[in-house]
Amino acid sequence: DAGVTQSPTHLIKTRGQQVTLRCSPKSGHDTVSWYQQALGQGPQFIFQYYEEEERQRGNFPDRFSGHQFPNYSSELNVNALLLGDSALYLCASSPQQMNTEAFFGQGTRLTVV
Amino acid sequence: SQQGEEDPQALSIQEGENATMNCSYKTSINNLQWYRQNSGRGLVHLILIRSNEREKHSGRLRVTLDTSKKSSSLLITASRAADTASYFCATVPYDSWGKFQFGAGTQVVVTP
Repeated sequence: DAGVTQSPTHLIKTRGQQVTLRCSPKSGHDTVSWYQQALGQGPQFIFQYYEEEERQRGNFPDRFSGHQFPNYSSELNVNALLLGDSALYLCASSPQQMNTEAFFGQGTRLTVV
Repeated sequence: SQQGEEDPQALSIQEGENATMNCSYKTSINNLQWYRQNSGRGLVHLILIRSNEREKHSGRLRVTLDTSKKSSSLLITASRAADTASYFCATVPYDSWGKFQFGAGTQVVVTP
């Protein structure tokens, strides 16, 4: 079992550009959530996907969008990048059940210059 | 604002000592989970405690939960240098599965 995999590991983008991050959930998991973690802070919830639909969303602007595919993998898209978008982006997967743990990927380190 | 608040922000101990960190939260929860993060990489799940549980053990880890005080503690016994990491509590709101709310974490340094 490969666990949760994210790609790429590191990414450098220029302000104003667009970026796409990818996540493959752990085998058997159908729910994917994305988090943004700024340096020295805890992760902040961006949104959650289940059955190819956005189910919950945190306090992030519309520049942040996502997608879930039939195989449960997911993408996070960020448009019009700002310097403040520089962070570690974490993907978490879980089964759509209450009271279970979520498994996180190793993250994508995005640097906006 | 973040739901969970860990205390202390940083902890420095020697190998063999115990490390205790606390987490406080604000709203009703379904469960509370503790995670470890090494050097800004992915989060590793340590332990989950449900709202109807008071204490849970896993190896050298002991977690308590007091829902009346809206607080939890994580104890690492007989710490090792490999335990050096940041530790986060994540609360799962009662009506919102998967929308984890994290605190800023406790940074633990274990020196040989």
